[in-house]
Amino acid sequence: AQSVTQLDSQVPVFEEAPVELRCNYSSSVSVYLFWYVQYPNQGLQLLLKYLSGSTLVESINGFEAEFNKSQTSFHLRKPSVHISDTAEYFCAVRRNQAGTALIFGKGTTLSVSS
Amino acid sequence: DGGITQSPKYLFRKEGQNVTLSCEQNLNHDAMYWYRQDPGQGLRLIYYSQIVNDFQKGDIAEGYSVSREKKESFPLTVTSAQKNPTAFYLCASSPSTGGNTNTEAFFGQGTRLTVV
Repeated sequence: AQSVTQLDSQVPVFEEAPVELRCNYSSSVSVYLFWYVQYPNQGLQLLLKYLSGSTLVESINGFEAEFNKSQTSFHLRKPSVHISDTAEYFCAVRRNQAGTALIFGKGTTLSVSS
Repeated sequence: DGGITQSPKYLFRKEGQNVTLSCEQNLNHDAMYWYRQDPGQGLRLIYYSQIVNDFQKGDIAEGYSVSREKKESFPLTVTSAQKNPTAFYLCASSPSTGGNTNTEAFFGQGTRLTVV
């Protein structure tokens, strides 16, 4: 069965420090991977996605993620975080069935302090 | 503006009452989804629909019902059979219904349901 594991439920960091949010997945067929961000009491916004091609994908606000097939990982990184990056982050894989529905990890709360 | 509208944002109901959550999209997307979010649990799929007048159960469909009479609308009813209905409910849509296509889901702002 497909699954997504986010290895850290909470990640506290100081402003301007680097951060890595870890995500491992299990899937036996073609993999489409996503990172979504959620601010309090709001819906999810797509941060970045891996569909095919280059294993390193980037977002417009400085985040990047690398698809590693051998380690079945899709870790999210940012070299220098801002207070405004404080949010909950979800890793997801597209289901093999159920159309384009997603399987989500349990989320990682990133808390950035000054 | 194109997007997904969920209403209301906050909803309170007494135990034993059915309640319907609204989800409307003007993105002309074929597929629509309902997820439930609980603290520390991520999002879990309740129902999904890939085409009008057709829908499928997700992982936690018990106690919920849906309809898809129009392409732009996918309402979710939380029935009295749902044991723990208090949660944050998110509706999503995508332009594709699957296969070898590269599309992501777009989410509404959610409805927080509290049953007392």
